[in-house]
Amino acid sequence: SQQGEEDPQALSIQEGENATMNCSYKTSINNLQWYRQNSGRGLVHLILIRSNEREKHSGRLRVTLDTSKKSSSLLITASRAADTASYFCATDAEETSGSRLTFGEGTQLTVNP
Amino acid sequence: DSGVTQTPKHLITATGQRVTLRCSPRSGDLSVYWYQQSLDQGLQFLIQYYNGEERAKGNILERFSAQQFPDLHSELNLSSLELGDSALYFCASSFSPRARDTQYFGPGTRLTVL
Repeated sequence: SQQGEEDPQALSIQEGENATMNCSYKTSINNLQWYRQNSGRGLVHLILIRSNEREKHSGRLRVTLDTSKKSSSLLITASRAADTASYFCATDAEETSGSRLTFGEGTQLTVNP
Repeated sequence: DSGVTQTPKHLITATGQRVTLRCSPRSGDLSVYWYQQSLDQGLQFLIQYYNGEERAKGNILERFSAQQFPDLHSELNLSSLELGDSALYFCASSFSPRARDTQYFGPGTRLTVL
């Protein structure tokens, strides 16, 4: 079952606008990661934020994490048509001897030129 | 390019058949993960290996098995295939087996069961 839930499920904006996607999760985590997937292709890692971090930036990306609310947001500023993709949050909870990523259902972002 | 390679890119087969998917992790990574992405289940974790040993197991069917070889490449074997096994299968790798490293994903193998 999916731990994370992304909101919204789909987002359509114009080039140059900002896009904000939200993710909620249910259990305690070590890290939260955001990935991008172009249609039917592989997952590209965007950013990792640790449970003791509240905000992280990478280029046009800004990620926030609120562990008290079990939620995270991904902000893409000055969006481009090439940002059109599905965006997934993934939580990583440590297990006895290994780890796994639990993915949300994703937000489909469309950036119109 | 993540540095994780998967073969084949596409696989079309019939129900009841058996297939093997192959993954080579990034250079230096010791941990390999397998995930399945389908329309109805989304992205699901299947299994993790670290340096040849199984470390975590998810929703992997008994008809599926995996292993990691001494050269660190991994294979996912799917047998007695059913229509519902049609999906994208991803391999990911990381250096550490624990929850502190980024997992880098390969391009995936698209399996179609007819």
